[in-house]
This record gives sequence, C-alpha cells and structure tokens, in this order.
Amino acid sequence: GNSVTQMEGPVTLSEEAFLTINCTYTATGYPSLFWYVQYPGEGLQLLLKATKADDKGSNKGFEATYRKETTSFHLEKGSVQVSDSAVYFCALSDAGGTSYGKLTFGQGTILTVHP
Amino acid sequence: NAGVTQTPKFRILKIGQSMTLQCTQDMNHNYMYWYRQDPGMGLKLIYYSVGAGITDKGEVPNGYNVSRSTTEDFPLRLELAAPSQTSVYFCASSYDDRGNQPQHFGDGTRLSIL
Repeated sequence: GNSVTQMEGPVTLSEEAFLTINCTYTATGYPSLFWYVQYPGEGLQLLLKATKADDKGSNKGFEATYRKETTSFHLEKGSVQVSDSAVYFCALSDAGGTSYGKLTFGQGTILTVHP
Repeated sequence: NAGVTQTPKFRILKIGQSMTLQCTQDMNHNYMYWYRQDPGMGLKLIYYSVGAGITDKGEVPNGYNVSRSTTEDFPLRLELAAPSQTSVYFCASSYDDRGNQPQHFGDGTRLSIL
C-alpha cells in the first residue's frame, strides 16, 4: 500500500533561517504529491502540490520538487518567519479514477520559528 | 465563503454514549472524506463518499458509521464511544476524483471520551 514518511520533528529555527523538511513516499503508479499546513486551532490548508515527476510546486516562498528517482518531495524555504510556525504534512494521492482522491498522510512535522 | 463547516468544535462524551459529528460543504463537491488526527500519527481516513447515496470504508472505519443523503452533508456517527476514539476529526471535500486537486478541510471537531 501507499505510505509517506516525514522527517522526525519538532523543528525549531530562528527567523530568517533556511528550512528543509524531508518527505519520502512509497506508492504504486504515479501519485500526486501535496504539502498541507495546519495553523493552531485550524484545519489543513493546501500549501503546494505537484502532479508529475520533476514538477516544482511553490507558494508563499516554499518550494518542493517531485523527484521520482528518489521518491521524494522535500519542502524548502530560504528564510522562515515567525508566522510560518505550524504543523506541515506531506501527502500523496493515487492518480486515476478509482483513487477517488483519497489522501495518505505523513505523520506531520511541527515547526517553531523564534524571533 | 463558508467552505467546509464542522460542528461541534469540541465535545466530551462518556464511554458508551453516541453522537453525530456534522459536516456540510457549500462548494457542490461530489467527494467527501472523514479523517481522524492522532498526535504524531498524521491523518487516517475513516470513510469517504463519492456522491449522494454512495459511501465506502477507509483505513480505520471500525466504530464509525456514515451516511450521505445530500451532496452537501456527510455526518459521521459514533454509536458506542470508546476511549480509543478520542481524537480530532476532520471533514474534507473535493471535486476531483483523479487525485490531482487538493481537498478542502473544515476546522475540525476535538472529541474526548472519558
């Protein structure tokens, strides 16, 4: 079956530091890959996505590249802000009509950014 | 824009009680999902629906039931609450069955079983 593995957390950084959160996956076929972000007390929001190999998703200064050869989708940001403090989830969805868009999530990574 | 609305936001139940978690969406999405989020475990799919009248089990369906009588509503029922069902529950919806588009999530229901 499908699975997603994220780097162990929590991650604590100073403002303006470089961020990397690792994500690797196991899936049959060619899944779509997503990063979701969850701010305290809220539901998950889409941060970025990529639907095929070598695609780069980007949003709000965050980037991730779909690497089929290493089955990875690592999240990066060059300079984090205090407002980026949240929980980040890597997820995949099997492509194809019988998948019905169901998501498989990683365990989440808590990011705390200090001033 | 309301999006996906879940009620209640918080609830405490006693063991053996029953309750229904409500979920409604106003985006006319065919696909709806229920997940539970346990600390350090990510989200696990409980049930999903591909349209009114059609539901199916996800990864962790035991102890739960769902129905989908309208496109908008997808309630989740707990019949005999157990401590293992203490969790945060999220409802989500999507218009895409091919997995290329994101799901839209509600703000969650935090449920404690004591």
